[in-house]
Amino acid sequence: DAGVIQSPRHEVTEMGQEVTLRCKPISGHNSLFWYRQTMMRGLELLIYFNNNVPIDDSGMPEDRFSAKMPNASFSTLKIQPSEPRDSAVYFCASSFRRGGTDTQYFGPGTRLTVL
Amino acid sequence: EDQVTQSPEALRLQEGESSSLNCSYTVSGLRGLFWYRQDPGKGPEFLFTLYSAGEEKEKERLKATLTKKESFLHITAPKPEDSATYLCAVGGGEYLQGAQKLVFGQGTRLTINP
Repeated sequence: DAGVIQSPRHEVTEMGQEVTLRCKPISGHNSLFWYRQTMMRGLELLIYFNNNVPIDDSGMPEDRFSAKMPNASFSTLKIQPSEPRDSAVYFCASSFRRGGTDTQYFGPGTRLTVL
Repeated sequence: EDQVTQSPEALRLQEGESSSLNCSYTVSGLRGLFWYRQDPGKGPEFLFTLYSAGEEKEKERLKATLTKKESFLHITAPKPEDSATYLCAVGGGEYLQGAQKLVFGQGTRLTINP
């Protein structure tokens, strides 16, 4: 069974450009998470969806960041305009609640570099 | 606020030299403590979930244990392929609708020399 799929794996862009990261969760999972990982701050939760509905976006750094989940098999994280401080690895994870517990499974990540 | 502190930040061992990684946590109502392994350039890979003090889980050379304040990841007779960053996370008081919100530690970077 395929795991979480993310694209692109690497993205290099210039400051001010729009960046769109994509994620396909594991089939059958109903929760999706976007994280950002940096050396300084580690793994930080940006936003979480349950059944395609955004539940908590308190981790989104500012209005330049937005996320959508138009259906159960696809989500995007968009940064517009991008800034050098957005450079990080962005992970998507998905989970399915079973018996009151749920384990998050991570994708391979997108390494974003903003010049 | 839920907090997770991992120690040491980095650990270098010789092949076959057993040791333990520590994860200390504060949480208002533990709903699960998770261990992940992360290789360079890859996403975190799930290893274990522990739910209550006294619980233990094993996988090959790894064993995770849990107390009310901390968890240990014991590595017995490690091999070079066990080299990775090990992340600890807690699902706690802040329970998002439908799923757990995880708070991650900074990780322990483990290197096993042949």
